[in-house]
Amino acid sequence: DVKVTQSSRYLVKRTGEKVFLECVQDMDHENMFWYRQDPGLGLRLIYFSYDVKMKEKGDIPEGYSVSREKKERFSLILESASTNQTSMYLCASSLWGVAVSYEQYFGPGTRLTVT
Amino acid sequence: SQQGEEDPQALSIQEGENATMNCSYKTSINNLQWYRQNSGRGLVHLILIRSNEREKHSGRLRVTLDTSKKSSSLLITASRAADTASYFCATDLTDSWGKLQFGAGTQVVVTP
Repeated sequence: DVKVTQSSRYLVKRTGEKVFLECVQDMDHENMFWYRQDPGLGLRLIYFSYDVKMKEKGDIPEGYSVSREKKERFSLILESASTNQTSMYLCASSLWGVAVSYEQYFGPGTRLTVT
Repeated sequence: SQQGEEDPQALSIQEGENATMNCSYKTSINNLQWYRQNSGRGLVHLILIRSNEREKHSGRLRVTLDTSKKSSSLLITASRAADTASYFCATDLTDSWGKLQFGAGTQVVVTP
């Protein structure tokens, strides 16, 4: 059974803390994604990686960075957490295709609260 | 602005009824995908329809795509309480190179 796992389901951090969200997939997918989901706004792409050490900014990269040192692992980093980063964070992976997107497999999500 | 926009935002039906939701988008696509999200969980892929396809079925799900109107619909037939979830359309734009644009979703409640 295919699987995307995220390091925490719930996380509470203080303003100014550095926060690491980890995502691991076991499907040997090239593409990995980080989204945040807020009520009424749907999913917004933060960062996207199509290969090890390769990354591309999504729609809302400000305040975030990412790391992909191994194919199966994609980390989202909040350098200095702020209250407006309180949200549900979803990781996903997919196969890579030439100028086409395949179905994405999602992790269970991490609900982050910044106080 | 969001590429895919679902309509309605919320839908309440009884078990056994059909549920229909629509998705409109703005620019050319390679494919359009539908996902389901149960409360507080990750999304699950339901169905993918390519731009050269007009209709696709999977179990109780039927998806149509009208590229001339830039719209798609998802029909769930004979709904069950377990179909209670949010449903999202996601568009694969022709210049997206692997990324999807998600809409805000339709929240469906099926009451027994």
